[in-house]
Amino acid sequence: QVQLVQSGAEVRKPGASVKVSCRASGYTFTSYYMHWVRQAPGQGLEWMGIINLSGGGTNYAQKIQGRVTMTRDTSTSTVYMELSSLRSEDTAVYYCTREGVGSYGLDVWGQGTTVTVSS
Amino acid sequence: QSVLTQPPSVSGAPGQRVTISCTGSSSNIGAGYDVHWYQQLPGTGPKLLIYGNNNRPSGVPDRISGSKSGTSASLAITGLQAEDEADYYCQSYDSSLSGSYVFGTGTKVTVL
Repeated sequence: QVQLVQSGAEVRKPGASVKVSCRASGYTFTSYYMHWVRQAPGQGLEWMGIINLSGGGTNYAQKIQGRVTMTRDTSTSTVYMELSSLRSEDTAVYYCTREGVGSYGLDVWGQGTTVTVSS
Repeated sequence: QSVLTQPPSVSGAPGQRVTISCTGSSSNIGAGYDVHWYQQLPGTGPKLLIYGNNNRPSGVPDRISGSKSGTSASLAITGLQAEDEADYYCQSYDSSLSGSYVFGTGTKVTVL
């Protein structure tokens, strides 16, 4: 079945970086886009960015531009999201989620990865 | 700060109908971009509920529907059930933010 499996929880100190992975299975990896969405404790959903899994092109939210990098490895069907210069406000659950070509929404979601930034 | 505004909460008794509004602007919903809706049950990740304004993915009951008009969209739940108690988010695309996807502020549905 179609599945997105994310890496485990991370704890980082302010100023450090974190890299979260998302392994896809059950479908043709390069036929979709992948988004990253985060949710701070008790808050709503925040879009972080998108990567074209075929060509690797990216587009990031202005708020985190310059601190975020999304990459993919087509040989392992894995997408990575790296966030640098971490602040306490980056404490959140991070989700990878798939989007197909056309207006079909974000139809498959990873289980989420909790990133805690604390000194 | 989200560019799509939703009411913080709505409530209804079992069997009733509730609606959730999603108000945008001329750079997102009003520009013709589609609206999608997601349900987030307590302690879980989001689930796609409506795509392309008014289409239900397989498995979503037909008592859930979506609509869009002008710069706003709406999600309706009829025959409200206890299992509908969750947070709901609208989502679209905004051309004024260097091509950003945007989520609504979220609405908590409470079944009385």
